[in-house]
Amino acid sequence: KQEVTQIPAALSVPEGENLVLNCSFTDSAIYNLQWFRQDPGKGLTSLLLIQSSQREQTSGRLNASLDKSSGRSTLYIAASQPGDSATYLCAVRQGSWGKLQFGAGTQVVVTP
Amino acid sequence: SAVISQKPSRDICQRGTSLTIQCQVDSQVTMMFWYRQQPGQSLTLIATANQGSEATYESGFVIDKFPISRPNLTFSTLTVSNMSPEDSSIYLCSVASFDDTEAFFGQGTRLTVV
Repeated sequence: KQEVTQIPAALSVPEGENLVLNCSFTDSAIYNLQWFRQDPGKGLTSLLLIQSSQREQTSGRLNASLDKSSGRSTLYIAASQPGDSATYLCAVRQGSWGKLQFGAGTQVVVTP
Repeated sequence: SAVISQKPSRDICQRGTSLTIQCQVDSQVTMMFWYRQQPGQSLTLIATANQGSEATYESGFVIDKFPISRPNLTFSTLTVSNMSPEDSSIYLCSVASFDDTEAFFGQGTRLTVV
């Protein structure tokens, strides 16, 4: 059974620092991996999607890498801003019609 | 990307009652998914809603407690029946993109049972 772990559980950084969020999964036979952002009490916003054949994806200040063989993905957020404060979730899909397995998330606080 | 609308956005309900949550998508999709997020926890899949057939439930979730309807390719409902305080959670509707790769989520329904 696939298990997804996110480290650290919480992170607090001053504005301007780079953020590094880690996600690991136990079964490397994944279809893709997706990073989401969740604001308190709200739904999920998709940030980046990495297919199993890809090594990384970039969108603006966000960069996500994928090392499928070692079961790891890392989300980098450059030059953090207070507006980046949220919980970041990674989720892996193993092919079954969009069903996702989520990690517990990393709660990020960026202080001005 | 798909735009998903969920109603209600939040509700406070008495124990023993039922609440039906609606999910409307702006395009036709094959499958719709219902997730639960209990306080301080991550998301857990409740069931997959297929148009024209019964929903497929994950281990630990049953149809009597969480009946689901899927009358067409753009709409689904999830009912939380005979509620107890343990059902207090955020319930989220999700769909896959047209090429069945990326997942999109609604804004969620925040349910509090008192």
